[in-house]
Amino acid sequence: ELKVEQNPLFLSMQEGKNYTIYCNYSTTSDRLYWYRQDPGKSLESLFVLLSNGAVKQEGRLMASLDTKARLSTLHITAAVHDLSATYFCAVDMTSTDKLIFGTGTRLQVFP
Amino acid sequence: GAVVSQHPSWVICKSGTSVKIECRSLDFQATTMFWYRQFPKQSLMLMATSNEGSKATYEQGVEKDKFLINHASLTLSTLTVTSAHPEDSSFYICSASAALAPGGNNEKLFFGSGTQLSVL
Repeated sequence: ELKVEQNPLFLSMQEGKNYTIYCNYSTTSDRLYWYRQDPGKSLESLFVLLSNGAVKQEGRLMASLDTKARLSTLHITAAVHDLSATYFCAVDMTSTDKLIFGTGTRLQVFP
Repeated sequence: GAVVSQHPSWVICKSGTSVKIECRSLDFQATTMFWYRQFPKQSLMLMATSNEGSKATYEQGVEKDKFLINHASLTLSTLTVTSAHPEDSSFYICSASAALAPGGNNEKLFFGSGTQLSVL
């Protein structure tokens, strides 16, 4: 059974600081997604990582994928309040767009 | 990016009634659609996978007679929660998978805006 775990579950950080969210999964996969969810809203796609070693950056967020370690990271650089949200990673185990979601990381950025 | 419309966005119903939720891909054909459920402060759990013209495949523990899924066309899937009870109250989200990435950027999976169901 595929398990997708995120660490930490909750993150409170000061503006301007850096931090990394980790996403570990238990079965081989080479397709991983990162999403952002605001309260009461659906998912906003952040990154699609399709191969080992993939690295993508958008603004203050950077995501990477290591398929051998079954690990993806979402790095936050110089956090700002607008980044406060819940972040999910999701793994496509069978390359069918059927996603198994991680536990989620609730990020709070304070002044 | 491509748009997936989900309707309604919010519904309140009495216990014992049925509720239908629609998921439409507006500018692409969806070979497959997925339905997820999300309880407050939890992650998304996959309920079922539906392909146009065939029966949906349900995940373990999801009652197929309670959550009826119809995928009548390449742009529309519906989820009907039959005889809803308070424990069915949740946020339901659909996703649609395009055969080819509409924007040519490898992204071919798109999520609807979600439906908040409250059963009294």
